[in-house]
Amino acid sequence: QKEVEQDPGPLSVPEGAIVSLNCTYSNSAFQYFMWYRQYSRKGPELLMYTYSSGNKEDGRFTAQVDKSSKYISLFIRDSQPSDSATYLCAIPDPSASKIIFGSGTRLSIRP
Amino acid sequence: DAGITQSPRYKITETGRQVTLMCHQTWSHSYMFWYRQDLGHGLRLIYYSAAADITDKGEVPDGYVVSRSKTENFPLTLESATRSQTSVYFCASSLRGDQETQYFGPGTRLLVL
Repeated sequence: QKEVEQDPGPLSVPEGAIVSLNCTYSNSAFQYFMWYRQYSRKGPELLMYTYSSGNKEDGRFTAQVDKSSKYISLFIRDSQPSDSATYLCAIPDPSASKIIFGSGTRLSIRP
Repeated sequence: DAGITQSPRYKITETGRQVTLMCHQTWSHSYMFWYRQDLGHGLRLIYYSAAADITDKGEVPDGYVVSRSKTENFPLTLESATRSQTSVYFCASSLRGDQETQYFGPGTRLLVL
C-alpha cells in the first residue's frame, strides 16, 4: 500500500462547478498536509498548507483534513478554466527530510 | 530574481550515454531535491541533499549519481542512460527539510532513444 493515494482522474467539470479532490494516507504520524498545483509543462507550486484537522480557506480554495479517517480534500468553488491543472497532495514525512507526493489528479474546467 | 533554474530544458540522448542535468538556486536553501515524474507514478524522489557535501538516496536512486560541492548547485548525472530513464526531471529546494515548502524548477524533459 502506498503511503499516499490519490485518484489520478482525469476529472472534467463545467466552469462554475464545485470541485472536490481527495487523497488518503496510511501513517497516523503525519501532521502537515499540502496541496500543490502543477500547470502543464511547469513545475509544481504550493497552493495550500494545513496543519491538524479541520478546514482552511483561501479564496475559492478550501483544504480539509480528517485525521480520524486519514483523508484530505481540496475543494474549489466557482471553478474557472484557469484552474485547469494537475493537483498533487503532499505530506511531509516526519521521520525523514522529505515530502511524500500523491500521484496527482488532472483537472480540466470546461468553459 | 532567478529562483531555481534547470538546464537543459529538453534533452535527447542515446542509450548508454552519460547525461548531466543541472540545477541552480539563488536562495541559499539548505535542502535540494531531484524528482522524476512519470504518468501513473507521480513525483518520485531520486536523491536529496541537506547541505553541501551531504547527499542521500530517495525512492528511485539506481542509475543516478549526484554531487553537491556548492550550496547553490545540485547536478544529477545519469551514468549510462537507459530508455526507462525517459522522464521529466524536476529539481526542488527548501530552506529546511520535512515540513518546509519545496520550490520547484521548470523541469527537464529527457528522452532516451
